[in-house]
Amino acid sequence: AQSVTQLDSQVPVFEEAPVELRCNYSSSVSVYLFWYVQYPNQGLQLLLKYLSGSTLVKGINGFEAEFNKSQTSFHLRKPSVHISDTAEYFCAVHKAAGNKLTFGGGTRVLVKP
Amino acid sequence: DVKVTQSSRYLVKRTGEKVFLECVQDMDHENMFWYRQDPGLGLRLIYFSYDVKMKEKGDIPEGYSVSREKKERFSLILESASTNQTSMYLCASSLGQGANFEKLFFGSGTQLSVL
Repeated sequence: AQSVTQLDSQVPVFEEAPVELRCNYSSSVSVYLFWYVQYPNQGLQLLLKYLSGSTLVKGINGFEAEFNKSQTSFHLRKPSVHISDTAEYFCAVHKAAGNKLTFGGGTRVLVKP
Repeated sequence: DVKVTQSSRYLVKRTGEKVFLECVQDMDHENMFWYRQDPGLGLRLIYFSYDVKMKEKGDIPEGYSVSREKKERFSLILESASTNQTSMYLCASSLGQGANFEKLFFGSGTQLSVL
């Protein structure tokens, strides 16, 4: 079975500071990796995804993530956050030959002025 | 833009009631999903469907059933609601297989409270 661990449940950060959200997964087979974002009172939307190729993936709103196969990690980063980045962020994993996404527990990011 | 619409934003029901949560998508997507979202647990898959009249169990199907009579509509049914089913329910859809499968489009959610 695969599992997804988001190591931080909450991350407070000041505006214009960098942020990193950690995600580790366990799987014995090839996987696809995703980050979704949920703004207050909204559904989730896709931020970025890794399917193959370059391990550094760029997404919307200035976010990027790096796939590290040896460490089974897919950490999300942004060099300078805005107040509007306040949201909950979910890492998700999909087995390459499977049929469903498994989500992590989520990380709440609170950007302070 | 794809639109996934959930019929209610907030719902309050009593223990033992039969509850229907409705979801409609307008982009002719083959795949539809029901998740529940609980603090610290992320999203957990209840049921999903690849096509009309087809359904598959997710990770936590107990206490739930689903119906997909039309391609655009996917209903989640709680046969006899219990307090441990108080949660945020999210519906999602996606197009086809392959790389598009994983790009889920989510509704805004239904916050269900069972008293």
